[in-house]
Amino acid sequence: AQSVSQHNHHVILSEAASLELGCNYSYGGTVNLFWYVQYPGQHLQLLLKYFSGDPLVKGIKGFEAEFIKSKFSFNLRKPSVQWSDTAEYFCAVMPYNQGGKLIFGQGTELSVKP
Amino acid sequence: DVKVTQSSRYLVKRTGEKVFLECVQDMDHENMFWYRQDPGLGLRLIYFSYDVKMKEKGDIPEGYSVSREKKERFSLILESASTNQTSMYLCASSFGGSPYNEQFFGPGTRLTVL
Repeated sequence: AQSVSQHNHHVILSEAASLELGCNYSYGGTVNLFWYVQYPGQHLQLLLKYFSGDPLVKGIKGFEAEFIKSKFSFNLRKPSVQWSDTAEYFCAVMPYNQGGKLIFGQGTELSVKP
Repeated sequence: DVKVTQSSRYLVKRTGEKVFLECVQDMDHENMFWYRQDPGLGLRLIYFSYDVKMKEKGDIPEGYSVSREKKERFSLILESASTNQTSMYLCASSFGGSPYNEQFFGPGTRLTVL
């Protein structure tokens, strides 16, 4: 079955620390990859996406992610987190030819201490 | 800006009631989706629709149905609400044609079934 796994359920960091959130998926075909973020009390919004080309993609607010096809991974990184990055982060996979549906990971809650 | 709106932010219903959750998007998107979000499980797809009067089952359709009579509106129906349907429900939409488009999410409806 297709699935997306996020390794960390809850991550606690101090401001200025570096962040890496892991995401692995199980699907043998071509995929598009996404990271969404949900700030407290707000809509789910797109952080960044990978469709093709350069496997290192940059998103909003200084986030980036690297697609490693051989490892079926799409890890999210930020060199220096801020208190305002406190949110829940979701990795999602869109398999080709499945009507544009997304398969989400379980989510990682990030708490940044000021 | 894409806008996806949902009819209620909070809803409380009793077991056995018929429940309607409404979603409207204003960007002429072809695709619309209903997810439920539960802690530790991420978002799971209930139903989606490519076009008016068309619907496809997602990963967890049991106990739900949908209706899409107009392009901009996608309704989720709980025929007989049960306590295990207490959850946050998110609606999303995306452009059709290509399946490779990001989804835009509404604010969510937090449904409690007593």
